Amino acid sequence: AQSVTQLDSHVSVSEGTPVLLRCNYSSSYSPSLFWYVQHPNKGLQLLLKYTSAATLVKGINGFEAEFKKSETSFHLTKPSAHMSDAAEYFCVANSGGYQKVTFGTGTKLQVIP
Amino acid sequence: EPEVTQTPSHQVTQMGQEVILRCVPISNHLYFYWYRQILGQKVEFLVSFYNNEISEKSEIFDDQFSVERPDGSNFTLKIRSTKLEDSAMYFCASNYSPGLAGTDTQYFGPGTRLTVL
Repeated sequence: AQSVTQLDSHVSVSEGTPVLLRCNYSSSYSPSLFWYVQHPNKGLQLLLKYTSAATLVKGINGFEAEFKKSETSFHLTKPSAHMSDAAEYFCVANSGGYQKVTFGTGTKLQVIP
Repeated sequence: EPEVTQTPSHQVTQMGQEVILRCVPISNHLYFYWYRQILGQKVEFLVSFYNNEISEKSEIFDDQFSVERPDGSNFTLKIRSTKLEDSAMYFCASNYSPGLAGTDTQYFGPGTRLTVL
């Protein structure tokens, strides 16, 4: 069985300050981990993925995430928030070759001007 | 870049009516999926489909639901008799192979918002 926990339902940052969105996973197998972003009234866009290569993964729009096996974490970061980053972010896991993926509950990011 | 498309973007229906949601997965993908997201809740897996049959389904996917790949490009979700609680955003996704690290990424469509009155 696998599960994904996103520790914060809402995160609010000022424009230009760092972003940290937290994700922890639980899995019996080495997982593939993903971050997706959903802008209002839009679909799910892949930001980045981890698949057991480098533990620090760089994605689109300046986002990156670090896989830490000892902490079972895959937190998403960005050095400097832009107004356009305001959206909902989902941490997603797929392990053991299961076909379905498991979503976290999502974190809504608010960027204050 | 290839993408998953879904039609319609918004569907309004009366309770008890049948609806068909349509998806066109990425052309060389082999596995297809439906997920739903009830407003304010997490995205939930409904069903996966491979080689013209259902390979996995969740408890949500009861006899009211069915999926079909009627031709070489479309993948449909049918709800036979809609209920109020079926109101949600329905996402279609596809990938080439879930078991291979390089090809397991699921690509999602923009969703169909279903409103049941």
